[in-house]
Amino acid sequence: QKEVEQDPGPLSVPEGAIVSLNCTYSNSAFQYFMWYRQYSRKGPELLMYTYSSGNKEDGRFTAQVDKSSKYISLFIRDSQPSDSATYLCAIPRDNYGQNFVFGPGTRLSVLP
Amino acid sequence: NAGVTQTPKFQVLKTGQSMTLQCAQDMNHNSMYWYRQDPGMGLRLIYYSASEGTTDKGEVPNGYNVSRLNKREFSLRLESAAPSQTSVYFCASSEVTGGRNTIYFGEGSWLTVV
Repeated sequence: QKEVEQDPGPLSVPEGAIVSLNCTYSNSAFQYFMWYRQYSRKGPELLMYTYSSGNKEDGRFTAQVDKSSKYISLFIRDSQPSDSATYLCAIPRDNYGQNFVFGPGTRLSVLP
Repeated sequence: NAGVTQTPKFQVLKTGQSMTLQCAQDMNHNSMYWYRQDPGMGLRLIYYSASEGTTDKGEVPNGYNVSRLNKREFSLRLESAAPSQTSVYFCASSEVTGGRNTIYFGEGSWLTVV
């Protein structure tokens, strides 16, 4: 079983839709989780992080963790064409370690 | 606000040629990384350096070498390029803040081996 799995998409939604992006992970020891956004021909950039204890909201973005199901989600409200990108979940293998595991990314297109 | 800078951005190599990807960060981070990104595979760690003077293999190190020249710079060398090394390469650096290790990426280097 892969450490992190993510539906690669592509996912196309109309502008203004609510988007749900998801990852599943296999190691219950993971402590916190991150979402990166990657625009075409660019490097990934940190979007937000959340600890295993619950939700975190930042503007139109909400990150959610369901530790019992080993499932993490990123919700985007009122999606905009500028949200069109690939979204990667990322999990540090330990809090002070050098190793991160990344999902393959979900490609999102928000159509005007 | 340069962050992580890597060069070149695009490169075409012939099989068997060698080249070095350069990376520098200006955030005073101790840890630096080289990843490759392939469709459907996600980001895979090639090598990392926890601090100046140290380097360690990641999950896909074969065919690559690295040098941590100083705290700022971390280079990746392909000694004899193969078509399987056609990929997008990302350099990154990280810091631990508030108990959380956050990684920052460069813009990427697109490498094609023919």
